[in-house]
Amino acid sequence: LAKTTQPISMDSYEGQEVNITCSHNNIATNDYITWYQQFPSQGPRFIIQGYKTKVTNEVASLFIPADRKSSTLSLPRVSLSDTAVYYCLVGGGNTDKLIFGTGTRLQVFP
Amino acid sequence: GAGVSQSPRYKVAKRGQDVALRCDPISGHVSLFWYQQALGQGPEFLTYFQNEAQLDKSGLPSDRFFAERPEGSVSTLKIQRTQQEDSAVYLCASSFLGRVGGELFFGEGSRLTVL
Repeated sequence: LAKTTQPISMDSYEGQEVNITCSHNNIATNDYITWYQQFPSQGPRFIIQGYKTKVTNEVASLFIPADRKSSTLSLPRVSLSDTAVYYCLVGGGNTDKLIFGTGTRLQVFP
Repeated sequence: GAGVSQSPRYKVAKRGQDVALRCDPISGHVSLFWYQQALGQGPEFLTYFQNEAQLDKSGLPSDRFFAERPEGSVSTLKIQRTQQEDSAVYLCASSFLGRVGGELFFGEGSRLTVL
């Protein structure tokens, strides 16, 4: 199973763009890359999923280079409400489980 | 219901007691997952169902942990003879897809405290 590595924490200010990079050197051909957001006392919430190149939705963009050994979640113009833990997951191909890492704790300051 | 529902939200048990945690997934969702999340840690995979079939239970930490989904809908996670190290939030998630990789919808979790 592909293991992910991401920074433990990041700080930002309101209105800035935040980029969180995740390393997944052992990603398998059939694996997807998925990012979840978790607030205290809540379950994780799906943000975005991709396989290669770039995916964009109304809340974030996901950049995946050609070798797929890493990915970057981009949050444009963060606000205080984006303060949360962000998890990068790799899997969903032939594996039956999705493995969460320790996540990146993002703190947004006014 | 509109989302994944878990009950109870909070459970306090004395060491040695048995507990049962319930998960009501989103109607029609094929896949169901249980995760355990200790304080300050990421969710740890416990087990995965596709309809009523338990396809992966490799994450269950001991034979005191048992999960079932007899009719392919509601699932119950049972912990026998609870120990203090079982204290955690137990998260349930469901997915429409019959395979891993689709968007997971999580409940708010059941927080278990073992005294």
